[in-house]
Amino acid sequence: AQSVTQPDIHITVSEGASLELRCNYSYGATPYLFWYVQSPGQGLQLLLKYFSGDTLVQGIKGFEAEFKRSQSSFNLRKPSVHWSDAAEYFCAVGAMGTGNQFYFGTGTSLTVIP
Amino acid sequence: GAVVSQHPSRVICKSGTSVKIECRSLDFQATTMFWYRQFPKQSLMLMATSNEGSKATYEQGVEKDKFLINHASLTLSTLTVTSAHPEDSSFYICSASGTGSGTKEQYFGPGTRLTVT
Repeated sequence: AQSVTQPDIHITVSEGASLELRCNYSYGATPYLFWYVQSPGQGLQLLLKYFSGDTLVQGIKGFEAEFKRSQSSFNLRKPSVHWSDAAEYFCAVGAMGTGNQFYFGTGTSLTVIP
Repeated sequence: GAVVSQHPSRVICKSGTSVKIECRSLDFQATTMFWYRQFPKQSLMLMATSNEGSKATYEQGVEKDKFLINHASLTLSTLTVTSAHPEDSSFYICSASGTGSGTKEQYFGPGTRLTVT
């Protein structure tokens, strides 16, 4: 069965520090992978996506993610966090074989301290 | 491109009444639309998937008679919460997929905050 795991429920980092949010997935075929960010009371904003090709993908706001098939992971990174990055982050897998249903992780809440 | 809107953004209704939420794809044809529900501090829970012109497919545990979904055109889907109760209060988010390369993605609306008093 398809699933997405975000092991870290909550992460706190200092402004300017580096960030890595973990995402592991379980999917039988080549997945389409996404990272979204959600500010309180807002909808989802797409940060980046992976369909195929280069396994290191660049996104908006200085974020990047690396697809590692051997580890079934798609971790999100940012070299220097800004206070405005504080939000909820969701990893998702798109399952084309089931009508493009998305499977979301439980989310990681990021707090940035000055 | 690929903008999805939702209306209203916030709605307050009294217990026992019905409320309709609209989801529109503004600049593409949405062959498939999805409705999600999100409780505070939780992830998105898929409620149903609808294809234009077809009946919606509901996820297990979602009452189809309570959450009526209509996808009558390629740019509009509606979710009607019938006989709403306070436990239906939640954040409802729709998303849409298009044709061609757009089928790989879902484009999300900004969400609708429903409060039932």
